[in-house]
Amino acid sequence: AQKVTQAQTEISVVEKEDVTLDCVYETRDTTYYLFWYKQPPSGELVFLIRRNSFDEQNEISGRYSWNFQKSTSSFNFTITASQVVDSAVYFCALSDYTGGFKTIFGAGTRLFVKA
Amino acid sequence: DTEVTQTPKHLVMGMTNKKSLKCEQHMGHRAMYWYKQKAKKPPELMFVYSYEKLSINESVPSRFSPECPNSSLLNLHLHALQPEDSALYLCASSHRDREGNYGYTFGSGTRLTVV
Repeated sequence: AQKVTQAQTEISVVEKEDVTLDCVYETRDTTYYLFWYKQPPSGELVFLIRRNSFDEQNEISGRYSWNFQKSTSSFNFTITASQVVDSAVYFCALSDYTGGFKTIFGAGTRLFVKA
Repeated sequence: DTEVTQTPKHLVMGMTNKKSLKCEQHMGHRAMYWYKQKAKKPPELMFVYSYEKLSINESVPSRFSPECPNSSLLNLHLHALQPEDSALYLCASSHRDREGNYGYTFGSGTRLTVV
């Protein structure tokens, strides 16, 4: 069965600290897609990244970086030099062939960045 | 135009009322979605429309009735709701459903309160 686990419910950091949000997924498929979304207090979900199962290259986008490790079924997200505007709930998500490519979301990690 | 627009942003309705939520996108996306999100929970899929046809109904009660009049519009008709239906209702679109999941573009949601 498909499952996404975000074990960290809430994380609080001080501005300029680095922070890593963990995501562990379960799937029996070899073809699947992983995502991260950000949900600021305003409510909309913002797409951050999509990674397919055949591409294990890590990715960096500005202060954001993602570490995809198939061996540990993890897709972790690091924010470098965090800022107050990074405060939000972050969701990791999975879609796979068995699930009809329906996207299932993890429970989310609420990040507080204090000035 | 890279937005999904949802109206209204807030809605308060009585249990005997009939109301509709609207969603619009002009990105040429052919898959559109309704999600329901309760407080401090991840989004849960309700309906998927693919090429204006309903392709997935996640066993949603009939008091929620989706409609896709054309490729740019998605409505959710509400009738005889219960207080527990109070939630944030999110609309999303993507290039296609099922295959090659490209990630969703979400609207900012309608915050619904049923009294």
